[in-house]
This record gives sequence, C-alpha cells and structure tokens, in this order.
Amino acid sequence: GAVVSQHPSWVICKSGTSVKIECRSLDFQATTMFWYRQFPKQSLMLMATSNEGSKATYEQGVEKDKFLINHASLTLSTLTVTSAHPEDSSFYICSARGNTGYHGYTFGSGTRLTVV
Amino acid sequence: AQTVTQSQPEMSVQEAETVTLSCTYDTSENNYYLFWYKQPPSRQMILVIRQEAYKQQNATENRFSVNFQKAAKSFSLKISDSQLGDTAMYFCAFMNFDSNYQLIWGAGTKLIIKP
Repeated sequence: GAVVSQHPSWVICKSGTSVKIECRSLDFQATTMFWYRQFPKQSLMLMATSNEGSKATYEQGVEKDKFLINHASLTLSTLTVTSAHPEDSSFYICSARGNTGYHGYTFGSGTRLTVV
Repeated sequence: AQTVTQSQPEMSVQEAETVTLSCTYDTSENNYYLFWYKQPPSRQMILVIRQEAYKQQNATENRFSVNFQKAAKSFSLKISDSQLGDTAMYFCAFMNFDSNYQLIWGAGTKLIIKP
C-alpha cells in the first residue's frame, strides 16, 4: 500500500534555530501534501496545502514566513520551522494525496518538535 | 462552511462489547466523502472506513461499519466485538471535491476498551 515516510520522528532544538521536517511518498506520486499541527488531546489543525510545483496555500493565522513549505517534486515535501520558539513545540503530521482515482490520503507517522 | 461534530469526547466499553461513535456534519454539497480515522497512542493516523455520499449502502470493514444517514447528515461508526487494540482516538472527517480535497476534522472521541 501507499506509504509516506516522515522524518525525523522527534527533534529537540534550541530557540532561534530552524528545523526541517521531510515527508517522502515511497511508492506513489503525491500531487497534494497537507501539513497539520496537532496539540495534545486535540484534533488535527490544517496549516497549509501544497500542490507539486506550486506555492503552498496557508490557512488563516499560519505565518508563511515562519512555516516554509516546499513541494518541489512529486515524492518530497518539506516543512521548515524557522526561528523556532517554545510555542512552536507541537506534533506535526503530513498527509499526501496521490494522483490516482481513489480519494485516499496517506499519513506520515508525525514529528514531535520540542523547542527549548 | 462545512463542519464536523463529534459530541462524545470520551467513551469506554468492556472488551467484546459493541460501541457506536457519533458524528454529524453540515454541508450544502451533494457529492462528498466521509471518513473515520483511528489514532492509537503511536499517533499514526489509520484509515478505518470511508463512505462515498452517492452510495446508499453503508460501508463495512470487518468489525467496523457505519450508519450513514445523508438526509440527517449523520455518520456514526459501530465497532463490534471490540478489542483492546481498538483503544485510540477516533476522528470523523469530511471531504468535498471543491476544497482542494482538504479534510474537515471532528474534535475526536477517545475510545477506551477495558479488559
């Protein structure tokens, strides 16, 4: 079945540094990538949607200069948290949608980011 | 705007019992998909079941089935013969084709299966 590999699974960084999270679709072409943020015991909050080769569309309230999304190929999308601060600590999940007829979504395993 | 409501923050049942999780949604669209996802403690999102709105027949996947009431905009999930491994957060989600395939998520229901 379809697999999305998300790395790293967890990361601790110092305040002010940048962190890159990668999501790779291993056996299908991810035409659309969704990036979510999930706070403890809460639902998924959509941060942005990116289509391969296009600029990402950010949800209201999400700083595009802080959360840089790149989707330059059909198998790789990245989320870079720039100048991270403790309030950016969270669980980040990517979800890919392929270009097949089935309207399914494949989720990465998530990245736990802790900013100290 | 579409919304998804899960009114049960937490439920617990004994192993082997049947449990039903509720989900209602609001939309003016006629063509859409509905999903139930499971998020166990590992936090990996797992598709449990999906339903196409144009299909009248309720979807079934082994012990999991849905009661899809389109007119009432209700999409409940029934888990039969519950197992300890069913313990997880369950999220109901809605997708229509005009929103770049974005999923609209419910708040989730924490399901605990007791031995």
